[in-house]
Amino acid sequence: KNQVEQSPQSLIILEGKNCTLQCNYTVSPFSNLRWYKQDTGRGPVSLTIMTFSENTKSNGRYTATLDADTKQSSLHITASQLSDSASYICVVSLSNSGYALNFGKGTSLLVTP
Amino acid sequence: GAGVSQSPRYKVTKRGQDVALRCDPISGHVSLYWYRQALGQGPEFLTYFNYEAQQDKSGLPNDRFSAERPEGSISTLTIQRTEQRDSAMYRCASSLRGGGSYNEQFFGPGTRLTVL
Repeated sequence: KNQVEQSPQSLIILEGKNCTLQCNYTVSPFSNLRWYKQDTGRGPVSLTIMTFSENTKSNGRYTATLDADTKQSSLHITASQLSDSASYICVVSLSNSGYALNFGKGTSLLVTP
Repeated sequence: GAGVSQSPRYKVTKRGQDVALRCDPISGHVSLYWYRQALGQGPEFLTYFNYEAQQDKSGLPNDRFSAERPEGSISTLTIQRTEQRDSAMYRCASSLRGGGSYNEQFFGPGTRLTVL
């Protein structure tokens, strides 16, 4: 059973609109959580990283939140652009094996004109 | 090169054949990782190197899978006697420093392996 769950599985929004992607995890002991963007045919690229003590992190139009108590994270995209169309993957690292990343299945986002 | 490169990008092979997948990490990166990504899934950890030393191979699914990084740079993932269930995208990543959770891993484009 995947210990990093993401929702929704896919999402279609109009250009200019905002959206929020969700990530719930059960893996422990928690070290940090990353959101990756994966364009079609490309490798994942890191957007944000948050540790246990951080509850929000921004990168341009991307804002990630983390609630380590409830083990939930979200990625909010503001004023979406066509280039935001990609798969967004939530990744959790453990403090006892930091290099072995635990990936969610991703949310496939399509931004339409 | 500027990023992690992998070759071949696509590999089609017949069941029972051996395949070798190559990863060329970012120059100067100490650590190298191999992942397998099934269609519609997130990547799954296979193995990890620090320089030429294989630090963790716990993710390799069975003894048909092996990896090496003899000179601490280029790595090869070898799958012997391939089976159809081995079909997946195989991704390589590298990080500047040793494998710790805060060291960002940069991913290559992957090798799409199809076993007929």
